[in-house]
Amino acid sequence: AQSVTQPDIHITVSEGASLELRCNYSYGATPYLFWYVQSPGQGLQLLLKYFSGDTLVQGIKGFEAEFKRSQSSFNLRKPSVHWSDAAEYFCAVAPSGNNRKLIWGLGTSLAVNP
Amino acid sequence: EAGVVQSPRYKIIEKKQPVAFWCNPISGHNTLYWYLQNLGQGPELLIRYENEEAVDDSQLPKDRFSAERLKGVDSTLKIQPAELGDSAVYLCASSERGDTTEAFFGQGTRLTVV
Repeated sequence: AQSVTQPDIHITVSEGASLELRCNYSYGATPYLFWYVQSPGQGLQLLLKYFSGDTLVQGIKGFEAEFKRSQSSFNLRKPSVHWSDAAEYFCAVAPSGNNRKLIWGLGTSLAVNP
Repeated sequence: EAGVVQSPRYKIIEKKQPVAFWCNPISGHNTLYWYLQNLGQGPELLIRYENEEAVDDSQLPKDRFSAERLKGVDSTLKIQPAELGDSAVYLCASSERGDTTEAFFGQGTRLTVV
């Protein structure tokens, strides 16, 4: 069955430090890949997505993610974290050609120390 | 442009009572989703509409949950009767028709059943 794994339930980083949030998926073909962010009391906002082409994807708020087919991974990165980045981050995948049927990871909670 | 609008933001009801949530998607978006999100979990799809047709309601507990999108625009999700385990955040999202479009989420309705 298709699944999405976010191995880190909670991560704490210092402001200004680099960040990498991991996401692995289980799916036969290359799916559509997404990262969403959810701030407390807010809805989910799309950070970036990968459908095809360049495997390094740039998103909003200075985030980027790299698709690695050999590792079935789509890790999210940011070179310098800001206190406002503290939030819950969700990785989601969808079968190619049917991006509306999203499968979600359990999320990674990010805390940022001043 | 207004985003996805949900109401109410918060709702507290006693068990066995009915409750309804309302969602107005982004204008022109044909696809509408209702998700359930438990604390510390990723969203779980309840139902997806393409215009007024429910094309995926396999995860909707039909004994107590119902949804409608009569004119293919706004939608209502109802629970009757509510149970303690229904306490969660109910998220609505919408997207344009097509395979490569992102879903935009509302802020959600936090339901507490006491």
